[in-house]
Amino acid sequence: DVKVTQSSRYLVKRTGEKVFLECVQDMDHENMFWYRQDPGLGLRLIYFSYDVKMKEKGDIPEGYSVSREKKERFSLILESASTNQTSMYLCASSLVGSFYGYTFGSGTRLTVV
Amino acid sequence: GENVEQHPSTLSVQEGDSAVIKCTYSDSASNYFPWYKQELGKGPQLIIDIRSNVGEKKDQRIAVTLNKTAKHFSLHITETQPEDSAVYFCAARGSNFGNEKLTFGTGTRLTIIP
Repeated sequence: DVKVTQSSRYLVKRTGEKVFLECVQDMDHENMFWYRQDPGLGLRLIYFSYDVKMKEKGDIPEGYSVSREKKERFSLILESASTNQTSMYLCASSLVGSFYGYTFGSGTRLTVV
Repeated sequence: GENVEQHPSTLSVQEGDSAVIKCTYSDSASNYFPWYKQELGKGPQLIIDIRSNVGEKKDQRIAVTLNKTAKHFSLHITETQPEDSAVYFCAARGSNFGNEKLTFGTGTRLTIIP
């Protein structure tokens, strides 16, 4: 069964901490994405990557960075966590092409206190 | 960029009745429209999708219709069952080469009343 695995289901971090959210896919997908999910706001794109070492900003990149050193792994980094970054974070991957949907991970619920 | 609006935000239907969720999109060049179902504690899962050259697609109790002229598409669930209770998201993708991003609607929380 194909999978996108997010390393943590729940995280609690303190304000100002550097936070790493890890995502691994086993489908040999070229594209990987990080979304943030908040009630009433849907899924908002933070960053995405079409290839190893390649990254592009999404709609809400401020306060975040990403790393993709290997094709199967895409990391989201909160350089200095703030309370307004408390949210559900979803990683997704897809094949290249207009007619492929995403496969999502189960999400990481991050609470910044 | 693309903008997707989704309505209603919440929907309650009696078990066995039909449910309809509607989305509109802004980019007339968009050519792919998937629907995702998110159950409690899980990530969204693709349930059905439609391409811009097709007006309707069915898969058992679910169907999606697309009106390119009006730039809207809808999800129809017939004979609803308790396991249909979830949050549903529509999405759209533009046709520009290399544009792999999906733009999502804000979601509809569907509750099936036994």
